Amino acid sequence: SQELEQSPQSLIVQEGKNLTINCTSSKTLYGLYWYKQKYGEGLIFLMMLQKGGEEKSHEKITAKLDEKKQQSSLHITASQPSHAGIYLCGAVHWDGAGSYQLTFGKGTKLSVIP
Amino acid sequence: DTAVSQTPKYLVTQMGNDKSIKCEQNLGHDTMYWYKQDSKKFLKIMFSYNNKELIINETVPNRFSPKSPDKAHLNLHINSLELGDSAVYFCASSFGRQPYYEQYFGPGTRLTVT
Repeated sequence: SQELEQSPQSLIVQEGKNLTINCTSSKTLYGLYWYKQKYGEGLIFLMMLQKGGEEKSHEKITAKLDEKKQQSSLHITASQPSHAGIYLCGAVHWDGAGSYQLTFGKGTKLSVIP
Repeated sequence: DTAVSQTPKYLVTQMGNDKSIKCEQNLGHDTMYWYKQDSKKFLKIMFSYNNKELIINETVPNRFSPKSPDKAHLNLHINSLELGDSAVYFCASSFGRQPYYEQYFGPGTRLTVT
């Protein structure tokens, strides 16, 4: 099983609708990143969460970290075509051997229909 | 202005060939990474270098050899290319050797092995 599960794998929404993407870790989280990737391009940093209950916003995108559930949710309000892309969560875990490891989820492909 | 650059952007080659991908960052970061994103969009870390020292070496065939001539450059050399090596390879960089710092990604190199 994957250390990091993202859901849903893909999402098609009508422009103007709200949506939520979830990321759940099977290991204790040290921090969690959200990145966005457009087709054929690199990853764009959205935000990083470290503390339980922490919530951050980037334009109309809000992410929250639930430390107890080892989960983060990314919420987009009033989606626009510009929000389309692949959203990746990346989890920072302590490997128990003296260093942190960063692993990524499989991504959620978001399509926004005008 | 480019922060993390990779060359080439596209690489098409035949099985058995040897190829290299170059990465440069002008952000003054001291840690650089190579990631592989397969056809299912799964992003997985391959290597990480901090100040020219290898700090992460995931289970990757030894046909893959990273080389860091200085802390601004991290190149990836691949010997005896196989069909399964086809993927998008991303270079990234960050401050510090631990992955809880924001990583800046290059645009990716799409490698196709025929």
